[in-house]
Amino acid sequence: QKEVEQDPGPLSVPEGAIVSLNCTYSNSAFQYFMWYRQYSRKGPELLMYTYSSGNKEDGRFTAQVDKSSKYISLFIRDSQPSDSATYLCAMRYSSNTGKLIFGQGTTLQVKP
Amino acid sequence: EAQVTQNPRYLITVTGKKLTVTCSQNMNHEYMSWYRQDPGLGLRQIYYSMNVEVTDKGDVPEGYKVSRKEKRNFPLILESPSPNQTSLYFCASSKPMNTEAFFGQGTRLTVV
Repeated sequence: QKEVEQDPGPLSVPEGAIVSLNCTYSNSAFQYFMWYRQYSRKGPELLMYTYSSGNKEDGRFTAQVDKSSKYISLFIRDSQPSDSATYLCAMRYSSNTGKLIFGQGTTLQVKP
Repeated sequence: EAQVTQNPRYLITVTGKKLTVTCSQNMNHEYMSWYRQDPGLGLRQIYYSMNVEVTDKGDVPEGYKVSRKEKRNFPLILESPSPNQTSLYFCASSKPMNTEAFFGQGTRLTVV
């Protein structure tokens, strides 16, 4: 079993829809949870991060972590065609380790 | 401009011919990592380094070598490449206690 599981999609939604992207994980030692966005032919870029449980909001994006269920989510409100990309969740045990575990990535297409 | 630079961007080589992919960062980051990205498998960490002369295995280190003799450089070495190492490779760097990793543009390697 992979430590981090993510549905690869693809996920196709109309412009303006609310998008929900999710990851599950098996290791309760993870403390830091991140979402990266990767456009085609580019390297990933950090979108949001959350420490431990809770919610974090940044504009149209909301990240949620539920450690009791080992489940994290990224919500995108009022989705735009420019949000079309692959979204990767990533997790880290602590802030002073270089080890980072990624999910498989979910490909999202937002249609105009 | 702050960046992580990988070279080459594209490489086609033959089985068994040693190759090196270079990675350099200009942000004075202590942490550097190498990942490979394959369809359906997401990003998998090959090796990471938390400082000069300090390296550690990631999840898929077999068939790869790294060295960190200078803070800014972290080359990935394939001593005897095989076709199953055909992949998209990313180098990344970050600071300790910081969750954001900055990625290079990627190196697409084909081993025939």
